[in-house]
Amino acid sequence: DAGVIQSPRHEVTEMGQEVTLRCKPISGHDYLFWYRQTMMRGLELLIYFNNNVPIDDSGMPEDRFSAKMPNASFSTLKIQPSEPRDSAVYFCASSLGRWGRETQYFGPGTRLLVL
Amino acid sequence: GESVGLHLPTLSVQEGDNSIINCAYSNSASDYFIWYKQESGKGPQFIIDIRSNMDKRQGQRVTVLLNKTVKHLSLQIAATQPGDSAVYFCAENPAGSGTYKYIFGTGTRLKVLA
Repeated sequence: DAGVIQSPRHEVTEMGQEVTLRCKPISGHDYLFWYRQTMMRGLELLIYFNNNVPIDDSGMPEDRFSAKMPNASFSTLKIQPSEPRDSAVYFCASSLGRWGRETQYFGPGTRLLVL
Repeated sequence: GESVGLHLPTLSVQEGDNSIINCAYSNSASDYFIWYKQESGKGPQFIIDIRSNMDKRQGQRVTVLLNKTVKHLSLQIAATQPGDSAVYFCAENPAGSGTYKYIFGTGTRLKVLA
């Protein structure tokens, strides 16, 4: 299995531009998570999906952030418009979730820099 | 509380020695705990987990100890190797919080000295 796949691995953009981050979870996993990691705040959960349905988006910082999961093998996290304070590493993770607590497997992350 | 800024505590260990990484968790209702390892430029990687009905769990070269009385978790790595150099995070899953919400600690950087 290739693991969780994220693209792009690095993104540099200018303030005000739209940014779209992509994630392909591990095949067969029912849960998908988006995290943000910064030096100031550590690793924070933004949103998670179960069977393509958003379950908890309370970690999404503001309306500029949106996430979708159109099918079981693809999810996007969009920032529009982007701001310098959005600069961070964004991780996608997935888990089986069949019986309750399941290990979350992380992707390599997308390093975002907003100038 | 929220950290104003994160200065990761660093643990330096001689190659071959044992390492002990500590973590204080915040929620007494947490009943599931996980340790992750994050190497530079990579995503967190699962190491070992433990449920609150246990106080010790062993894996390959790693042992996790849980002390619920003082809300403390530790990760012991036996015969530390250069490949163990990374940042280690503990995560807690508060029961009733929404099963899949992990709360991550700030992390500890492990440096293995040759």
